[in-house]
Amino acid sequence: EAEVAQSPRYKITEKSQAVAFWCDPISGHATLYWYRQILGQGPELLVQFQDESVVDDSQLPKDRFSAERLKGVDSTLKIQPAELGDSAMYLCASSFGAGGPGEQFFGPGTRLTVL
Amino acid sequence: QKEVEQDPGPLSVPEGAIVSLNCTYSNSAFQYFMWYRQYSRKGPELLMYTYSSGNKEDGRFTAQVDKSSKYISLFIRDSQPSDSATYLCAMGELDMRFGAGTRLTVKP
Repeated sequence: EAEVAQSPRYKITEKSQAVAFWCDPISGHATLYWYRQILGQGPELLVQFQDESVVDDSQLPKDRFSAERLKGVDSTLKIQPAELGDSAMYLCASSFGAGGPGEQFFGPGTRLTVL
Repeated sequence: QKEVEQDPGPLSVPEGAIVSLNCTYSNSAFQYFMWYRQYSRKGPELLMYTYSSGNKEDGRFTAQVDKSSKYISLFIRDSQPSDSATYLCAMGELDMRFGAGTRLTVKP
């Protein structure tokens, strides 16, 4: 069964360091999402890609976060510098179509701890 | 007021019970409604996906959407210990908004 792949699964870093997360969506899925989930809360959208283009990054803290999907397939989310408040689960999801949320399939997530 | 409200629980039921999970929302433009199950330290798993109002059934799971009341529900029949997880509602139009999740424990 096709799955969304993410790495690393866990990351511990010190504040002010740079971290990067990688996501490989389900083959053929044009839309890719990065979410942040703080413990005890639902996921919040950080950025949405349609192919290689950013559709929505209104909630992405652009002073420290960046995201790219250069070839319209896999994607990288970077934080530089990391802050204590960035500790959370970072989830990647993908869906087939555009024009609506679609059925989004999530990866296992990367749990980030900032010390 | 949050766009999506979900009772965080926790909810504890005996095995075999019928479980009812609910969310309310404020944005009448929402057209897509989903329920996800999330086990501890894992990503959410899509359970049910519905468009607009109505009911949808899949095995022991039934999703209901009442757009006039801005209220959605997920029913689990004959609940099993393996159903113990956090259940997230999600809804939207062009993008999705998630509820905070309800933690469910089904006791053997």
